[in-house]
Amino acid sequence: GAVVSQHPSWVICKSGTSVKIECRSLDFQATTMFWYRQFPKQSLMLMATSNEGSKATYEQGVEKDKFLINHASLTLSTLTVTSAHPEDSSFYICSARETGTSGPPDTQYFGPGTRLTVL
Amino acid sequence: SQQGEEDPQALSIQEGENATMNCSYKTSINNLQWYRQNSGRGLVHLILIRSNEREKHSGRLRVTLDTSKKSSSLLITASRAADTASYFCATDAISSGTYKYIFGTGTRLKVLA
Repeated sequence: GAVVSQHPSWVICKSGTSVKIECRSLDFQATTMFWYRQFPKQSLMLMATSNEGSKATYEQGVEKDKFLINHASLTLSTLTVTSAHPEDSSFYICSARETGTSGPPDTQYFGPGTRLTVL
Repeated sequence: SQQGEEDPQALSIQEGENATMNCSYKTSINNLQWYRQNSGRGLVHLILIRSNEREKHSGRLRVTLDTSKKSSSLLITASRAADTASYFCATDAISSGTYKYIFGTGTRLKVLA
């Protein structure tokens, strides 16, 4: 089955530093990937849609300059949280949609998530 | 904004009882999915129901969809302690030519042994 991995699974960093999270589709190509953020006891909030070879599309209220997304290949998207602050501490989850699927996707394949803690 | 609203927000039942969760959404959809998430873990896909389907079963799970009311329900029969988790519905939405899934607020289910 389709597998999506995330690295790292958890990270602790100091306030003001930048953190990069990787999302990889292991056995399929993904033109489109999605990044979600989830605060404790809350639902997943879509942050942005990552498109291979083009700029990401951000949801309203998400700072583009703070959450940098790079989708440089068909199997890798990265999310960089720049100048992280404690309020950025959250669970970040990516998902991927297989290239070549048209119309409404039957499903997205989700990564296991990355827990970010900013001290 | 979130596409779906779920109720109840939290549900506590005894093992062996049935658990019902409801999801309401705002716009037309092509399909709706239900996911489970154990505390601090990733998502587990449970079931997908298409807009032209009214009911779907998978093991102890039963999902209904009423597109006229823009609502769906997830029924877990004969619940087990291992069913303790958060459950989310997700509906597809199209924006700028790209389909994406928007999640509901979720229901936290606790099954007491």
